[in-house]
Amino acid sequence: GQNIDQPTEMTATEGAIVQINCTYQTSGFNGLFWYQQHAGEAPTFLSYNVLDGLEEKGRFSSFLSRSKGYSYLLLKELQMKDSASYLCAVTEGNYQLIWGAGTKLIIKP
Amino acid sequence: IAGITQAPTSQILAAGRRMTLRCTQDMRHNAMYWYRQDLGLGLRLIHYSNTAGTTGKGEVPDGYSVSRANTDDFPLTLASAVPSQTSVYFCASSEGGGEGYNEQFFGPGTRLTVL
Repeated sequence: GQNIDQPTEMTATEGAIVQINCTYQTSGFNGLFWYQQHAGEAPTFLSYNVLDGLEEKGRFSSFLSRSKGYSYLLLKELQMKDSASYLCAVTEGNYQLIWGAGTKLIIKP
Repeated sequence: IAGITQAPTSQILAAGRRMTLRCTQDMRHNAMYWYRQDLGLGLRLIHYSNTAGTTGKGEVPDGYSVSRANTDDFPLTLASAVPSQTSVYFCASSEGGGEGYNEQFFGPGTRLTVL
């Protein structure tokens, strides 16, 4: 079956670093997306990984291990505006994405 | 450039009524999608369309129908609304056209309450 797991909620401190993990089990795999969703708003694209390794984009980085079915999103120098839900999604070789339930990140001053 | 627009923004509907949620994109994307998002469950695919003139069922299609008469529009219809269809509905689109990279762009959502 298809399954994507993320922690439900995480709390971190402004200025710190936080790592949000995502594990997946799917029948096929072509790539993994991370999206950010602020409360009451639409999801917006953060990153895409298809090969193993780390992709860095400013304060955000995303890592993928295909053999382990594992990814993480790393957020550095946390700001209050980073308080949001972070959604992991896997693409399986057609146009569709399989979505995790999302991780709600709470940033405290 | 608007991207994807949805209408209405929110709606309260009596059970048993028919309702169409509208979605329009101006990016000339081939593929379009309808999701519902419920607390704790994440995004669940209702219906999708890989290109104009074709549609397919997603994970939770029952009680919903779609059409794709042209590239830009992808309306979602609830023939006879029930309270379990209370949710936030997101329309999305992607370039499509092949396997792998499939970044989806989302509309602002429609908050629907069925009483």
